[in-house]
Amino acid sequence: DQQVKQNSPSLSVQEGRISILNCDYTNSMFDYFLWYKKYPAEGPTFLISISSIKDKNEDGRFTVFLNKSAKHLSLHIVPSQPGDSAVYFCAARGFQKLVFGTGTRLLVSP
Amino acid sequence: DAGVIQSPRHEVTEMGQEVTLRCKPISGHNSLFWYRQTMMRGLELLIYFNNNVPIDDSGMPEDRFSAKMPNASFSTLKIQPSEPRDSAVYFCASSGGTGLSNEQFFGPGTRLTVL
Repeated sequence: DQQVKQNSPSLSVQEGRISILNCDYTNSMFDYFLWYKKYPAEGPTFLISISSIKDKNEDGRFTVFLNKSAKHLSLHIVPSQPGDSAVYFCAARGFQKLVFGTGTRLLVSP
Repeated sequence: DAGVIQSPRHEVTEMGQEVTLRCKPISGHNSLFWYRQTMMRGLELLIYFNNNVPIDDSGMPEDRFSAKMPNASFSTLKIQPSEPRDSAVYFCASSGGTGLSNEQFFGPGTRLTVL
């Protein structure tokens, strides 16, 4: 029973365009959401987060949007760069745990 | 700071053998987490420790899996006996503060293959 779902296993975009990665969750008790980025042969690294009391958080090229009524969050990367090519994991915090999605592989082509 | 250190990076073993994965958290961090990554289920939390004490092991798949944290700088995840379905990448992560901090720092992972 996946409480955090990333329904797109992969996404391809061109350099300079916007990348939009989506994440859905089922548990309304989650109070904090995070995005992690993972390169091959490395562990995930923290990218950006958002509290459930907000609907938007921005950090440079990265913006996370939260729609609590739809139980949906998204990560926008603008402009996308080839170095952004990685697997992106969405995570939700609840009950003293982080629950991760299955990841979306982003490929940014020059 | 060396970050979270895991060993070995790769492990290939035969079904039925005992496997021990090791983790050294970031110095000063008091929470440690073990995760398993698979294609089907993504990153799953297996167990986490706070101040060397296991807080939640509900993610441990079955009795074949066990984890220990004898001190603040070392933890092990043991699988005995191992099975082919245990093949996955196992990550250790640590964080500072009490309980579950917002940011966890991950090690590079151990890729386990059970033949």
